[in-house]
Amino acid sequence: GAGVSQSPSNKVTEKGKDVELRCDPISGHTALYWYRQSLGQGLEFLIYFQGNSAPDKSGLPSDRFSAERTGGSVSTLTIQRTQQEDSAVYLCASSLDSLYEQYFGPGTRLTVT
Amino acid sequence: QKEVEQNSGPLSVPEGAIASLNCTYSDRGSQSFFWYRQYSGKSPELIMFIYSNGDKEDGRFTAQLNKASQYVSLLIRDSQPSDSATYLCAVRRDYKLSFGAGTTVTVRA
Repeated sequence: GAGVSQSPSNKVTEKGKDVELRCDPISGHTALYWYRQSLGQGLEFLIYFQGNSAPDKSGLPSDRFSAERTGGSVSTLTIQRTQQEDSAVYLCASSLDSLYEQYFGPGTRLTVT
Repeated sequence: QKEVEQNSGPLSVPEGAIASLNCTYSDRGSQSFFWYRQYSGKSPELIMFIYSNGDKEDGRFTAQLNKASQYVSLLIRDSQPSDSATYLCAVRRDYKLSFGAGTTVTVRA
């Protein structure tokens, strides 16, 4: 079946602009996660959704970052007023529910110039 | 102390040999354990998960878990050049996965 998909695959933006990153989870997966991976760094947890609710937003680095999920499916991560330190690969993962294994999408590589 | 620690590598093994990867975790409440493979420039791919103490085998991969020692390992038998990648250990408590920094494995022909 179809895996997790993310768009765009690459995004180059100027400092100060807003960006939206999209994630389509595996069909039927109720849990969705966003992570960030900076060059040479480990995976950093950003936010977790169960259905449309986000019980844990603790990993969002600043109030410039927000995320939503609609219809228990698609999720959008928005970064406002991007900074150079936001440059990273943003990864989305989904799981059947929160107790099951997570499957990752291909990621969005964000470059802030 | 990091939540999840992996041997730093890089690990270089000859083709056909066994690659042994180790991981320790600090949270005794951790519930399940995962190994992901990440090729350069790609996203992590789940290759093994284990929930109970003991061994779990899947093809050339064997995961081993010892909760008393807070230790999980991955063995790759008959290593192939295509196994050259970074291997990430991940530990789950409730919904949250914590990842190690990864061990880079190079299989030399």
